[in-house]
Amino acid sequence: DSGVTQTPKHLITATGQRVTLRCSPRSGDLSVYWYQQSLDQGLQFLIHYYNGEERAKGNILERFSAQQFPDLHSELNLSSLELGDSALYFCASSVSPQAASEQYFGPGTRLTVT
Amino acid sequence: GDSVTQMEGPVTLSEEAFLTINCTYTATGYPSLFWYVQYPGEGLQLLLKATKADDKGSNKGFEATYRKETTSFHLEKGSVQVSDSAVYFCALSDRGGNQFYFGTGTSLTVIP
Repeated sequence: DSGVTQTPKHLITATGQRVTLRCSPRSGDLSVYWYQQSLDQGLQFLIHYYNGEERAKGNILERFSAQQFPDLHSELNLSSLELGDSALYFCASSVSPQAASEQYFGPGTRLTVT
Repeated sequence: GDSVTQMEGPVTLSEEAFLTINCTYTATGYPSLFWYVQYPGEGLQLLLKATKADDKGSNKGFEATYRKETTSFHLEKGSVQVSDSAVYFCALSDRGGNQFYFGTGTSLTVIP
């Protein structure tokens, strides 16, 4: 158990809908990273938040957004869902953004868009 | 932009065989390099890391050396076990640790 929790574990929804994925980092970790893992594109970095502020954006679509709250949990919002958004979404946390700082991954949320 | 290219799988080895999974990278500046492992149904776990050229990361019998001259970070293990069956990801981060890039993953199956 990494100490990172993600809810829900599974999510099935229809095209055009909007969903929110939630991540609670390990106690004491200030950085939260979001990733999308799909069969055809591997693990893609989406966005990084540190202590409530956005630090970096990767391959995140405009239909997606994220935020980190004062209690440090983070939410990833996906809207106008398309079939291609079906994937496993991971969040990871670390103590700080320092490159040597280990990331701890949650178990993931499996999103299926039908 | 920064990127990681790793050997495609799947790889199937017999127990006690030697393992090499190749990883090369493209990056500006001086990235940190990582190997992560993902067991079935689980999230990724850090296996080892190296933060500067010529550093060797090691853990659980796995090793990888940060080679700046060949921009590589190949993963090796002298004798694999069935329990090593998993997907292995090579990754790099920018110097500030703000952005990470992962390879596509290499699936390893070790048969008794």
